[in-house]
Amino acid sequence: GIQVEQSPPDLILQEGANSTLRCNFSDSVNNLQWFHQNPWGQLINLFYIPSGTKQNGRLSATTVATERYSLLYISSSQTTDSGVYFCARNAGGTSYGKLTFGQGTILTVHP
Amino acid sequence: ETGVTQTPRHLVMGMTNKKSLKCEQHLGHNAMYWYKQSAKKPLELMFVYSLEERVENNSVPSRFSPECPNSSHLFLHLHTLQPEDSALYLCASSLGIQETQYFGPGTRLLVL
Repeated sequence: GIQVEQSPPDLILQEGANSTLRCNFSDSVNNLQWFHQNPWGQLINLFYIPSGTKQNGRLSATTVATERYSLLYISSSQTTDSGVYFCARNAGGTSYGKLTFGQGTILTVHP
Repeated sequence: ETGVTQTPRHLVMGMTNKKSLKCEQHLGHNAMYWYKQSAKKPLELMFVYSLEERVENNSVPSRFSPECPNSSHLFLHLHTLQPEDSALYLCASSLGIQETQYFGPGTRLLVL
């Protein structure tokens, strides 16, 4: 079946540090999303990025669809960045909106 | 605030109870989804509705029964659940099936 793998599984940073999270997927992608889940469980959309690069403040993301990976960059990290980061992909076609999620990267930012 | 609300936020129920989870979206979207997030597991899609028609049932046990009376509301009816059904249940919506999905805050369910 469709595989979505994220790395690293856990990441601990000091406030102000930069980080890169990776998402590998096993099949072609029609839709790739990055989410941040806060400690209360709310999933917040970060990027919809099937290909190319997007930036939003301290966050940016790049998807290289031909090589089947996506990267999420967090610069000048803050304690509020803590939580779990998920990537999810939808292959389109007959998948009827079925997003397949990775296992997530647990990010902890210390002051 | 994503424009998707869920009630209740927390629910404790016994295995013989019947309860319902409610999701409402204020975004004018046409597709709605139920996901289950168990501890140590990725989010799992349960059901997809597009224009109030169920288009995906991801092998979910019949003790979970979805209902979509209109494009703004989605329910998940629960009956005779098992303790392993304890999880965070998340609702999402999107403009169309292939569009960006926006999630509600979730209902934390504990089955005793």
